[in-house]
Amino acid sequence: QKEVEQDPGPLSVPEGAIVSLNCTYSNSAFQYFMWYRQYSRKGPELLMYTYSSGNKEDGRFTAQVDKSSKYISLFIRDSQPSDSATYLCAMDYAGNNRKLIWGLGTSLAVNP
Amino acid sequence: EAGVTQFPSHSVIEKGQTVTLRCDPISGHDNLYWYRRVMGKEIKFLLHFVKESKQDESGMPNNRFLAERTGGTYSTLKVQPAELEDSGVYFCASSQDRRTSGGREQFFGPGTRLTVL
Repeated sequence: QKEVEQDPGPLSVPEGAIVSLNCTYSNSAFQYFMWYRQYSRKGPELLMYTYSSGNKEDGRFTAQVDKSSKYISLFIRDSQPSDSATYLCAMDYAGNNRKLIWGLGTSLAVNP
Repeated sequence: EAGVTQFPSHSVIEKGQTVTLRCDPISGHDNLYWYRRVMGKEIKFLLHFVKESKQDESGMPNNRFLAERTGGTYSTLKVQPAELEDSGVYFCASSQDRRTSGGREQFFGPGTRLTVL
């Protein structure tokens, strides 16, 4: 069983739609939960990270973590064509080792 | 401020040859990571340097892979001899001192796309 599961999509939405992306995980030791965005031929770029459970909001982006269900989500409000990218979830353990465990990534297209 | 840079951007080699990938982290970042993405698979951790020391190399596939970080600055990842299954995109990332609040964010380079024929 993979440690982190993420539906690769692709996901296609009209401009202005609310996008919901999510990942499930199996290892209850994960404490930090990240969302990265990756444009074609670029490296991943950190969007948001959350420690333990709860919500975090940054502009049009909201990250949610439900540790009881081992489920994390990223919501994008008022989606824009510039949001078209691959969104990857990543997790790591509390402590000094910061190696990230990744989902497959979900390809998102926002159509004008 | 310059981001993480990687060289080359793309490398095509024959099976059995040697390839060396280079990563220049953001200046002042003690932590340097190597990851690899094989087509259709998740990004996988390879190893982690703190300054010039290997903190964790549990993700290195086998002894054909050798990573070094000279003087705690740039890092190289050598594959010798290369095999077909080594093809993929190799990402390098760096982060600040782990004790700082910003130390959890890893900044990624654009990756080196390695093709082994």
